[in-house]
Amino acid sequence: NAGVMQNPRHLVRRRGQEARLRCSPMKGHSHVYWYRQLPEEGLKFMVYLQKENIIDESGMPKERFSAEFPKEGPSILRIQQVVRGDSAAYFCASSPLSRSDTGELFFGEGSRLTVL
Amino acid sequence: AQSVTQLDSHVSVSEGTPVLLRCNYSSSYSPSLFWYVQHPNKGLQLLLKYTSAATLVKGINGFEAEFKKSETSFHLTKPSAHMSDAAEYFCVVTDNFGNEKLTFGTGTRLTIIP
Repeated sequence: NAGVMQNPRHLVRRRGQEARLRCSPMKGHSHVYWYRQLPEEGLKFMVYLQKENIIDESGMPKERFSAEFPKEGPSILRIQQVVRGDSAAYFCASSPLSRSDTGELFFGEGSRLTVL
Repeated sequence: AQSVTQLDSHVSVSEGTPVLLRCNYSSSYSPSLFWYVQHPNKGLQLLLKYTSAATLVKGINGFEAEFKKSETSFHLTKPSAHMSDAAEYFCVVTDNFGNEKLTFGTGTRLTIIP
């Protein structure tokens, strides 16, 4: 049973470009979470999605960031017009039910975005 | 509101000696608490979790943690460190009232001295 798959693992963008990060949850998992880890910091919650629905996006910056989890295919975290401050590791996690029911999230290995 | 404080940003121990990584939490409701480990350039792996059952929780790789409500602590311990334990460790809290967000501590980097 494959784990949470994220790609690309490493992404380099110039300021003003767009970054798209993809996450395929574990088989059978319908809940996806995105977290951001800035250098030397812990992970910060960004958004929680179920299939075709954004449940909680209270951690998402108001501009330039968006997320989706379509009926078919992976979840996508999209960052438009990237700036140097967007450089971070972005982690996706999934769970079969809501986290509060299962108590555990399964994390991918992260996508490391570098903005030049 | 919930928060977690990891008291040490770096801990160094010799191989074969005990490990203690400290964590204090704050939660408005009955909390769930977790310890995750992150090896360099890897994702996070769950070590153990407390969800209001036994207060002494045993995890993988010989780690355990004790939930102490009176001290609002959830310290991680291991009797004997191994070189493979070198990693970043995160203490995590969430309350159990439909809160989907995990709140992470800033991490403790564990170094094992040969």
